[in-house]
Amino acid sequence: SQQGEEDPQALSIQEGENATMNCSYKTSINNLQWYRQNSGRGLVHLILIRSNEREKHSGRLRVTLDTSKKSSSLLITASRAADTASYFCATLSYNTDKLIFGTGTRLQVFP
Amino acid sequence: GAVVSQHPSWVICKSGTSVKIECRSLDFQATTMFWYRQFPKQSLMLMATSNEGSKATYEQGVEKDKFLINHASLTLSTLTVTSAHPEDSSFYICSAQRGGSGTGELFFGEGSRLTVL
Repeated sequence: SQQGEEDPQALSIQEGENATMNCSYKTSINNLQWYRQNSGRGLVHLILIRSNEREKHSGRLRVTLDTSKKSSSLLITASRAADTASYFCATLSYNTDKLIFGTGTRLQVFP
Repeated sequence: GAVVSQHPSWVICKSGTSVKIECRSLDFQATTMFWYRQFPKQSLMLMATSNEGSKATYEQGVEKDKFLINHASLTLSTLTVTSAHPEDSSFYICSAQRGGSGTGELFFGEGSRLTVL
């Protein structure tokens, strides 16, 4: 089953610009995570935000979580061509170890 | 960080044959591993939860006799696609959970691309 819907589905920006991706989910969660996937490769864990947290930073990444709206956003600041990849949110619900992925956003950063 | 290895990274097989994909946690023990399937330009769909020493738990709509999962040790889970057909062609990704239940962070393998001719 798929939990999250992400938008936009695709995003194209120039280097140096900021990229914002949004994720909405349906049920109560323990935490929400963001992953990155380069084409044809495995996933890289970027950041985890717990249900009692509202914002988290890691380098050029900023994640927000609004549990009342069941939504999260990932902001990549000062983007680089190397940030080109697909980005997925994934939710972990209480009483389960299953990580359910959103639909993903394909980000392309032009040099 | 923790390392999860998948093998093979890609495989091409004839229709009707069976293919085994291995998922190993190299530097930690994983009582729980997960298998996902990903079609081109789509998201990861959870297929099953692999539990060491017990039967796998399959998601709704996933044929357990088609996708055999074995988790015989704390560092190895295998997915066997039996009697593969072209529609089974996909990218299969495993993940392993380090730590206890509910810790949430999973470590993913690099994926295995299966092409069935």
